[in-house]
Amino acid sequence: SQKIEQNSEALNIQEGKTATLTCNYTNYSPAYLQWYRQDPGRGPVFLLLIRENEKEKRKERLKVTFDTTLKQSLFHITASQPADSATYLCALEVTGGGNKLTFGTGTQLKVEL
Amino acid sequence: NAGVTQTPKFQVLKTGQSMTLQCAQDMNHEYMSWYRQDPGMGLRLIHYSVGAGITDQGEVPNGYNVSRSTTEDFPLRLLSAAPSQTSVYFCASSYGEALNTEAFFGQGTRLTVV
Repeated sequence: SQKIEQNSEALNIQEGKTATLTCNYTNYSPAYLQWYRQDPGRGPVFLLLIRENEKEKRKERLKVTFDTTLKQSLFHITASQPADSATYLCALEVTGGGNKLTFGTGTQLKVEL
Repeated sequence: NAGVTQTPKFQVLKTGQSMTLQCAQDMNHEYMSWYRQDPGMGLRLIHYSVGAGITDQGEVPNGYNVSRSTTEDFPLRLLSAAPSQTSVYFCASSYGEALNTEAFFGQGTRLTVV
């Protein structure tokens, strides 16, 4: 069956360091992969989308890589700040179009002063 | 620009009651979806629509109905609420296939069934 795995353990890092979050998937051949941020009591907010023919995508302090051979995406936040503390979700589109997404369970990131 | 609006934000139901969760978007998006989010499970797709008049089932459709009579609205109906439907429900919308496929989410409806 199709499965997306994110590290369920919270990630605690010091302000200014780079946070790296992992998303692994099995039994998928996704056309693209998305990353979202979710704050407590709020809906997910889109951050980045990377397509299967792209190795890397950047947006300000964010960087996403996509390795279709390893079936893995890495999400990096450089120069992290306490305001980056949130849960980060990766999502893949279910085959058949319609932007139907399957989500990982998310990784909680806490950036400490 | 309101984006995706969900109502109500909170709801408590008794087992067996029915209700409708409302979702509206003002971005003229073709695609709309409903997800539920449970602890340790991630978001799971309930139903989705690729345009007005077209709906289909997602991963966990049992106990829920949807309709899409207009581009803007995509209500989710609970036919006979059960405690297993206690969850946080999110509505999402996105552009059609050929355009940017990022999803815009509402703020969620926290439903408790007692």
